[in-house]
Amino acid sequence: DAGITQSPRHKVTETGTPVTLRCHQTENHRYMYWYRQDPGHGLRLIHYSYGVKDTDKGEVSDGYSVSRSKTEDFLLTLESATSSQTSVYFCAISPGLAGDTDTQYFGPGTRLTVL
Amino acid sequence: DQQVKQNSPSLSVQEGRISILNCDYTNSMFDYFLWYKKYPAEGPTFLISISSIKDKNEDGRFTVFLNKSAKHLSLHIVPSQPGDSAVYFCAASASGGSNYKLTFGKGTLLTVNP
Repeated sequence: DAGITQSPRHKVTETGTPVTLRCHQTENHRYMYWYRQDPGHGLRLIHYSYGVKDTDKGEVSDGYSVSRSKTEDFLLTLESATSSQTSVYFCAISPGLAGDTDTQYFGPGTRLTVL
Repeated sequence: DQQVKQNSPSLSVQEGRISILNCDYTNSMFDYFLWYKKYPAEGPTFLISISSIKDKNEDGRFTVFLNKSAKHLSLHIVPSQPGDSAVYFCAASASGGSNYKLTFGKGTLLTVNP
């Protein structure tokens, strides 16, 4: 299994508070991704990173920001949490090498509840 | 606009029989396809993939078939086992400047009954 950890694994917070989720990898992979999983929606990409300090938006980026200051860490921040951001958040990594290596490997997830 | 569609939210099969999970896509730029399996309270796990230059890829009990003209792929599990009960996600990517982004379907819940 790819070495990916997410912290915290569970979090309950209140509307309006900032929240930061952490993804840590030990694979030295270039690409990192944040997804959210909601019933009826599958996995939707929030933001991704293609290198240190290089990030871009996914399809559901509103209300989220990310930072990547080191290869191994990718942080997802909810600036001011809302109930609609209650979800399970997954981090994924990919080596991004030539050839059919678009395979992403996922972390265990963080369950976030915004009250 | 849903570019990857899994039209069956759920599928139930008997142990030992074949499970067939289907996926359709609309973006003709997609050239790499993957299946992930997800158990409750765990992250998705990569299962099998196929490049658009192939029409079949096999790994043990799992086979993925790709029909490019129909923009359709399917995952066959033979024989099905109770431990295969999980949500299966189909995903697709377009190589060439995509930053290796994947587009996922909404998933199909497979239940294998003993």
